[in-house]
Amino acid sequence: DIQMTQSPSSVSASVGDRVTITCRASQGTSNWLAWYQQKPGKAPKLLIYAASSLQSGVPSRFSGSGSGTDFTLTISSLQPEDFGTYYCQQANSFPLTFGGGTKVEIK
Amino acid sequence: EVQLVESGGGLVQPGGSLRLSCAASGFTFSNYAMSWVRQAPGKGLEWVSAITTSGGSTYYADSVKGRFTIARDNSKNTLYLQMNSLRVEDTAVYYCAKVRHGSWYLFDCWGQGTLVTVSS
Repeated sequence: DIQMTQSPSSVSASVGDRVTITCRASQGTSNWLAWYQQKPGKAPKLLIYAASSLQSGVPSRFSGSGSGTDFTLTISSLQPEDFGTYYCQQANSFPLTFGGGTKVEIK
Repeated sequence: EVQLVESGGGLVQPGGSLRLSCAASGFTFSNYAMSWVRQAPGKGLEWVSAITTSGGSTYYADSVKGRFTIARDNSKNTLYLQMNSLRVEDTAVYYCAKVRHGSWYLFDCWGQGTLVTVSS
C-alpha cells in the first residue's frame, strides 16, 4: 500500500499569508494525486487533480506542484474562507489512500 | 447540476447489516466509475471501495474485504454498498464519490454523506 504523509498536521496563519502543505508518498504515484478541502460537517471538495491541475471553479490562489513522491499545495494569499482541513489522495494504485490531513486555521 | 444523495445509514448492532444507496443525477452515471469513502467521527478520510463503469471490476480496502459489497444499477443511476458483519470500527459517515473524467480515481463530486453507527 502507498502511505501518504502530510505535514504539518495543523497551521495557523493570517489573512494574506502564503500557506504551504506537503504530502509525501511512500512510493511513486505517477502524478495521480489530488488535494481536497473539507469544512466541518461538509463533504470534501476537489481543489487540485493530477498533482497540479486546478479544478474548475477553484480560486487561482490555490496551486499544486510536485511529482513522484513529493507534492505541495500552496495557498498564495490566505482568505478567511480557506479555513478547514486539507487532504491529499493518491490514485496510482489500489488501495487508494489519503493523507492524515492538515487543519488550516485563520489567526 | 451534478448531485449525489446517499441514504440508508442508521444505527445497527455489531454483526448486523445495512445497505447504503447513492442516487446520482445531473450526469451520465453509466460513464463514470464510482467509489465509497468513509470518515470516522473526528478522523480523516478512508477509502472503502470502488467500481468501474459497467460494474465488471470492483476494489476494496482490506478493512472491509469479504464483508462489504459494492454494486451499481446504471438503469436506476444508483450506487450501492452492502455492509455485512458490521463492527464498531465501521462507525463513520459514508460518502459516495464520482470519479473525475480523465482522472484515475480522483473524485470531483461527493454526496453529503450518511452516518452509520455500529453499537450495541
